Formats: sequence, structure tokens, C-alpha cells
Amino acid sequence: AQSVTQPDIHITVSEGASLELRCNYSYGATPYLFWYVQSPGQGLQLLLKYFSGDTLVQGIKGFEAEFKRSQSSFNLRKPSVHWSDAAEYFCAVGYNYGQNFVFGPGTRLSVLP
Amino acid sequence: IAGITQAPTSQILAAGRRMTLRCTQDMRHNAMYWYRQDLGLGLRLIHYSNTAGTTGKGEVPDGYSVSRANTDDFPLTLASAVPSQTSVYFCASSDSSRDRFSGYTFGSGTRLTVV
Repeated sequence: AQSVTQPDIHITVSEGASLELRCNYSYGATPYLFWYVQSPGQGLQLLLKYFSGDTLVQGIKGFEAEFKRSQSSFNLRKPSVHWSDAAEYFCAVGYNYGQNFVFGPGTRLSVLP
Repeated sequence: IAGITQAPTSQILAAGRRMTLRCTQDMRHNAMYWYRQDLGLGLRLIHYSNTAGTTGKGEVPDGYSVSRANTDDFPLTLASAVPSQTSVYFCASSDSSRDRFSGYTFGSGTRLTVV
């Protein structure tokens, strides 16, 4: 069965530091890949997505993610974290044009002033 | 503003009562979904609908029912609420046609407490 893992349950970084959130998936082919962010009490907002082409994708709020087929990974990065980035981040993979969509368990990001 | 509207925002419900969570989208997406989010368990799919008139069961369908009478609306009903259904419920939609799929759009959620 398809699965998505986010190895880090909780990460704390200082404001201005770089950030990398890990995501690995298990599937026989390349799925569609997504990162969503959820601020406290809010719904999920799409940060970025990968369907095909350039393996480094840019998203909103200064985030980027890189697809590495050999590692079945789609890690999210940001060069300099802002306090407003504190939130829960979900990696998701989609198959069959969205008719199968699997979320990772999420990584909670805390930002120290 | 195009998107998904969920109602109510929050609700406290007595166990055994019936409750319908409303979800409406204005993007003409063919597919709609209901998830529940629980601490430590992430997002779990309850029911889905790939097109108006059809529905399917997700990972945790027991105790819930849905209907899809038209493209825009996808209500979730708890026939007889139990405390284990205390959760935050998210409705989502997508255009799952081959050339237009671009991910899921989520509503802001309904926080339900069953007492």
C-alpha cells in the first residue's frame, strides 16, 4: 500500500535559520507530490506541488522542495525561517489524478525568536 | 472568493444526537472529500465522492454517511454521535480530470465536540 512518512514529529529552529522538513513515500511509480501548511485553527494551505519536469519546485512564502526519485523523497526547504512559519506541515502524495491521496503524519515546526 | 465553505465552524453536540456538517464549493470540482484530523493520527479519509451522484468509503467511514446530490454540496452526517467522533473535520475538493488536477483545496474545518 502507498504510504508517506515524515520522520520528524516536531522540529524547533531559530528565526533566520535554514529549515529542511523530510518526506519519503512508498509507491511503484512517481506520484504527484505536495506540501501543505496548517496554521493553528486553520485549514490546510497548499505550499507547492510537483507533477513532472524540474525536480526543484518553488512555492509560496519562500519555500522550495526537491524531488529525488532515487530516494523516494520530497523534502521541503526554506533558507531563512520567519516566526510566522510556525505551523504544522504535511507532505502528501496523489495518484490517479487525485482519486487516491495519502497524507503524511505531519511535522510541527516551532520557531524561536 | 472561490473556495470551500464549511459550517458550522464549531459545535458541541450531545451523544446520541444527529448532526450534519455542511460543505459547499464554488470551483465546480468534480471530486469532494471528508477528512477528520486527530492529534497523533493525522488526516484520515472518511468518505469521498468522485462525481455528483456517487460516493465511496474511505479509511474510517463507520458512523458517518454522505450524499452528493449536486456538484457543489457534500454534507457529512453523524446519525448518532459518540464521543470518539470528537475531532476536527475538513472538507476538500479537487478536479481529478487528467489535465486539470492540481491538488486538493481544503475548507477551514469544523471543530466538533461530542459530550
